[in-house]
Amino acid sequence: GEDVEQSLFLSVREGDSSVINCTYTDSSSTYLYWYKQEPGAGLQLLTYIFSNMDMKQDQRLTVLLNKKDKHLSLRIADTQTGDSAIYFCAEKAGGGNKLTFGTGTQLKVEL
Amino acid sequence: GAVVSQHPSWVICKSGTSVKIECRSLDFQATTMFWYRQFPKQSLMLMATSNEGSKATYEQGVEKDKFLINHASLTLSTLTVTSAHPEDSSFYICSALGTGNTGELFFGEGSRLTVL
Repeated sequence: GEDVEQSLFLSVREGDSSVINCTYTDSSSTYLYWYKQEPGAGLQLLTYIFSNMDMKQDQRLTVLLNKKDKHLSLRIADTQTGDSAIYFCAEKAGGGNKLTFGTGTQLKVEL
Repeated sequence: GAVVSQHPSWVICKSGTSVKIECRSLDFQATTMFWYRQFPKQSLMLMATSNEGSKATYEQGVEKDKFLINHASLTLSTLTVTSAHPEDSSFYICSALGTGNTGELFFGEGSRLTVL
């Protein structure tokens, strides 16, 4: 079955880097995604990585994928207060279009 | 990027009434939309997959007679919560499958339902 786990909470100081981790169990994942959810809002796609890639960088965001360990991480460089939100990783597995979402990590950025 | 809009964003209703939530893809056609339910401080739970022109596919444990889904056009899917009860109070989010080959989903802003 599909199971996606994340740590629940992360607190960092403004200007530091944040690393949000995600583990998944389905080895047939094709795409893995990171979404950001601000309070009372829908989800905003931040970035995604194809399963045959190890790393993807997009401005302040770096995604690392360790397919052997089924571990995905999102690094946010120079974290700002506006980055405070809940971050969900999600995987798409098999041939369908359904996503399985992680439990979500609440990131709090302190001054 | 593609825009998905939900309406209403917030609704309060009495027990026993039905509530309809709309999900529209504003600048693209979406043959597939998804409906999720999110409880406070929890992840998104997929309720059903909405396919244009055919019946929705419901996830296990989701009552299809309770949560009616209609996807009558390529830009609109609706979720109707019938005979709502306080335990149906939740944040409902829809997403639409984009037309690219990355399987990107575009999410609506969410609709908060409170049943009194």
